[in-house]
Amino acid sequence: GAGVSQSPRYKVAKRGQDVALRCDPISGHVSLFWYQQALGQGPEFLTYFQNEAQLDKSGLPSDRFFAERPEGSVSTLKIQRTQQEDSAVYLCASSLGKGNTEAFFGQGTRLTVV
Amino acid sequence: AQSVAQPEDQVNVAEGNPLTVKCTYSVSGNPYLFWYVQYPNRGLQFLLKYITGDNLVKGSYGFEAEFNKSQTSFHLKKPSALVSDSALYFCAVRDFGNEKLTFGTGTRLTIIP
Repeated sequence: GAGVSQSPRYKVAKRGQDVALRCDPISGHVSLFWYQQALGQGPEFLTYFQNEAQLDKSGLPSDRFFAERPEGSVSTLKIQRTQQEDSAVYLCASSLGKGNTEAFFGQGTRLTVV
Repeated sequence: AQSVAQPEDQVNVAEGNPLTVKCTYSVSGNPYLFWYVQYPNRGLQFLLKYITGDNLVKGSYGFEAEFNKSQTSFHLKKPSALVSDSALYFCAVRDFGNEKLTFGTGTRLTIIP
């Protein structure tokens, strides 16, 4: 596709439920990022992949958060035992990964935990 | 560590007037600087970037930004504002050799007809 695609666009989860958020990056983009954007805030870094390797997961808030990119393309962010404070927009971005290139963002998945 | 500050939560400008959205940054090495715009229920759209070279960089929709190393600033500018420029603007920084972006808290720009 022409841009970064995320699904679902909206997800309502009951507290304690597990969720999986999907990201399809731009074809050929080596780097893939996940960010969390709380209401009224700027995006905050969660994790980063270069191809299938997860090179930085320093932003994941707890061990309930897990991300994978097994074939170096599509990525999934999984949140186990969701809590109300997990409610946010989750943004995926991809880039060519050549150091000075910009990242392109998807429209995000808005997660609401009730 | 890398960080970004956007000192204004809200900027109001009359249509046709010049606009400035402020950003200052902190990095340990040479910065890569970016501006993104976010419309309601949309993802972030890339506007422009500074990597190296000329301090004045030009981007999409008539926007430009000026890199000032001594003041560690990267302010976004446009000579003549349009109502359609109303949106949320984010400044972001990457340190050389670090792939992750650090974003500011955003500035809501409102252009008044």
